[in-house]
Amino acid sequence: GAVVSQHPSRVICKSGTSVKIECRSLDFQATTMFWYRQFPKQSLMLMATSNEGSKATYEQGVEKDKFLINHASLTLSTLTVTSAHPEDSSFYICSARASGTFSYNEQFFGPGTRLTVL
Amino acid sequence: GDSVTQMEGPVTLSEEAFLTINCTYTATGYPSLFWYVQYPGEGLQLLLKATKADDKGSNKGFEATYRKETTSFHLEKGSVQVSDSAVYFCALSDLQAGTALIFGKGTTLSVSS
Repeated sequence: GAVVSQHPSRVICKSGTSVKIECRSLDFQATTMFWYRQFPKQSLMLMATSNEGSKATYEQGVEKDKFLINHASLTLSTLTVTSAHPEDSSFYICSARASGTFSYNEQFFGPGTRLTVL
Repeated sequence: GDSVTQMEGPVTLSEEAFLTINCTYTATGYPSLFWYVQYPGEGLQLLLKATKADDKGSNKGFEATYRKETTSFHLEKGSVQVSDSAVYFCALSDLQAGTALIFGKGTTLSVSS
């Protein structure tokens, strides 16, 4: 089946530092990946859509200079939280969209990254 | 825009009880509908899906039928287990356009023995 990994699974950092989160599709190619944010006991909110080889599309209210997204290959997208602050603490989840006969445009989720900013 | 509304939780049941979690949607096109489950401390797992009206998705004893006339996709299970305790999310997406999933707020299910 389709597997999406995220690294790290958990990260604690000091306020003002930057943190990079990787999202990889392990056994399929994903031209599109999505980044979501989940606050405690709340739903997933789409942050941005990441397309391989082009700039990400950010949802309204999401600061693109704060949350840098790079999708340099068909199997890897990265989210960098720049100058992180405690309010950025959250659960970040990526999903990768499969294409072709394998699973028509279905999305597969990574296990998530718990970011805690002190 | 498109949206998903699901019943507020938490839902607390005894083992072997019948479960229904209501979900309704608003969409301009013809979305596919999904139920995802999130166990404590884990990511989302696809539970079941339906891609067109009257389709029934099923998995692990859970079922949901895509009802276009009532714009609903209610999740049901005849006999819940303690291991079903989790947060359940209803979601929609336009698979043909490959759009991102739009999620409901989630319903927490707690099953006691």
